[in-house]
Amino acid sequence: DAKTTQPPSMDCAEGRAANLPCNHSTISGNEYVYWYRQIHSQGPQYIIHGLKNNETNEMASLIITEDRKSSTLILPHATLRDTAVYYCIVRPYNNNDMRFGAGTRLTVKP
Amino acid sequence: NAGVMQNPRHLVRRRGQEARLRCSPMKGHSHVYWYRQLPEEGLKFMVYLQKENIIDESGMPKERFSAEFPKEGPSILRIQQVVRGDSAAYFCASSPEDPDGPYGYTFGSGTRLTVV
Repeated sequence: DAKTTQPPSMDCAEGRAANLPCNHSTISGNEYVYWYRQIHSQGPQYIIHGLKNNETNEMASLIITEDRKSSTLILPHATLRDTAVYYCIVRPYNNNDMRFGAGTRLTVKP
Repeated sequence: NAGVMQNPRHLVRRRGQEARLRCSPMKGHSHVYWYRQLPEEGLKFMVYLQKENIIDESGMPKERFSAEFPKEGPSILRIQQVVRGDSAAYFCASSPEDPDGPYGYTFGSGTRLTVV
């Protein structure tokens, strides 16, 4: 059972920032927040993960609220190739399985 | 440094036949996970294995499905007596002993099983 809630779909204009929200109000102190995406029918691709601090890498930024009940994935300059389904997942430390929810279908439009 | 390799990419089986899907994890990864994705649906966890051990098979159908990860060789997901409802994309992922490294899980490109 997924422990996260995401909007089913979002649109974003090309070149603008895409902000994808995720609610995980029942998250525990030892659970990480992971983000993956799946482009068309390819295998899911890891984007970023974090525990409580904000994180940034070459793909995206992850902003986690202070109470850790929600987070936002930010793609700073969305391109058409970022059109995909984005999955937000919470997973306990030392628990090696990842459960996917329905995700958010992001469509980047020209 | 090859990623997670799955083969075949596409597999067609007639109803009642057996399907064998293979997954070779990334070098140095000792944990393998199988997921199934039905058309227009999300990924569903099936089974989590370490070498020679099934750790969690709570997502596996009770009949016809089995998985193994032998000491040598790839992980195998086996579906006996396939039915049309087994048609789906099957994805394998792998992780190191400590999956909280920088890349989390790494997924393969999947095997598309079509039952005719």
